[in-house]
Amino acid sequence: DGGITQSPKYLFRKEGQNVTLSCEQNLNHDAMYWYRQDPGQGLRLIYYSQIVNDFQKGDIAEGYSVSREKKESFPLTVTSAQKNPTAFYLCASSNTGLGGANVLTFGAGSRLTVL
Amino acid sequence: AQSVTQPDIHITVSEGASLELRCNYSYGATPYLFWYVQSPGQGLQLLLKYFSGDTLVQGIKGFEAEFKRSQSSFNLRKPSVHWSDAAEYFCAVGGLMNIGFQKLVFGTGTRLLVSP
Repeated sequence: DGGITQSPKYLFRKEGQNVTLSCEQNLNHDAMYWYRQDPGQGLRLIYYSQIVNDFQKGDIAEGYSVSREKKESFPLTVTSAQKNPTAFYLCASSNTGLGGANVLTFGAGSRLTVL
Repeated sequence: AQSVTQPDIHITVSEGASLELRCNYSYGATPYLFWYVQSPGQGLQLLLKYFSGDTLVQGIKGFEAEFKRSQSSFNLRKPSVHWSDAAEYFCAVGGLMNIGFQKLVFGTGTRLLVSP
């Protein structure tokens, strides 16, 4: 079945370390997204990519980096510059097309805890 | 800029009772509206969406929502709640960043508890 795979499910990090969260999709979707979820704050967009080798900052990109070398993959690196990285991270993908009426498919998420 | 308000943080409903979750949005043009559901520790699943046309939309798991432009609302309803409906529900509104692309803004969510 097609879907989005995020790994690892749980990740612990010491302060000052960079960590990379993996996101792979086999839905043949052009667009991919990273969201951060904190209790009581909904989902906030970190980065998104509409096409391979191109990506744009979302609302809270500071302290994060991404790459999009393959259509299927959109890894997120949480750098030491991110002041409060403990959160639940969700990857999503969608088709694109005229009209912009796209529907997101989400992965199961990765929970990052900074010790 | 678009925004979404879900005024209820928690709601408790008895199993078999009806449910209505509130969602108000702010957007300068015709919005694209969505309801997603999230089980604990999981990703989000799309329940239903509104793009245009009939303002009453049907979704999965027996849910429906009604778009009311005059009230800027998109409330989610279910006539009879099942214990498996206990989850967190997110309303989202979409707008265009580029032609053919959409940025979603999510509400802060409503946690539904179902009592026996």
